[in-house]
Amino acid sequence: KAGVTQTPRYLIKTRGQQVTLSCSPISGHRSVSWYQQTPGQGLQFLFEYFSETQRNKGNFPGRFSGRQFSNSRSEMNVSTLELGDSALYLCASSLAKGNTIYFGEGSWLTVV
Amino acid sequence: GQQLNQSPQSMFIQEGEDVSMNCTSSSIFNTWLWYKQDPGEGPVLLIALYKAGELTSNGRLTAQFGITRKDSFLNISASIPSDVGIYFCAGLPIKAAGNKLTFGGGTRVLVKP
Repeated sequence: KAGVTQTPRYLIKTRGQQVTLSCSPISGHRSVSWYQQTPGQGLQFLFEYFSETQRNKGNFPGRFSGRQFSNSRSEMNVSTLELGDSALYLCASSLAKGNTIYFGEGSWLTVV
Repeated sequence: GQQLNQSPQSMFIQEGEDVSMNCTSSSIFNTWLWYKQDPGEGPVLLIALYKAGELTSNGRLTAQFGITRKDSFLNISASIPSDVGIYFCAGLPIKAAGNKLTFGGGTRVLVKP
């Protein structure tokens, strides 16, 4: 059974650009969450999608957005990139609320 | 936002030693999860706990869901070099909407020089 798959694994962007990251959850999982991990702030929740609806949102500016497709795959987008957006972006999937949550390997974003 | 207090922040291990770490909170949690993260990788689930008082093992790892529902412990027995990494606790608060995990700050496990 394939795990959570994130693409791309590594990318470098310039300030002001936008970026889209993709996540394919474990087959059958309908909940997809996104987290940002930085050395200074640790793991911070961005948002969660369930059945194509945003169920939760963290305390991030509106430049961070996401969506979920009917096949449960999810994308997150960051517009007008800032240097501080450099981080490891992690996607996690779960069957439903309260079930075990599995993480992907993450997408390393560097903003220069 | 809500935080989990994870301690110790770092520890040195010698092969064969038992080590332990814990997470505490002022809030009540429904679920406790323990992850290990290696450099450049995503967190890998080690143990999941769903009931207060639950004690669960996964090989040399043992974790417990505190009876107050405000804490959890992870023990590693007979440590080996590949136990090096960062261990995170994470929890789902009792009033969480959906799967919004709260994470501890991590325990960095290093090998004694």
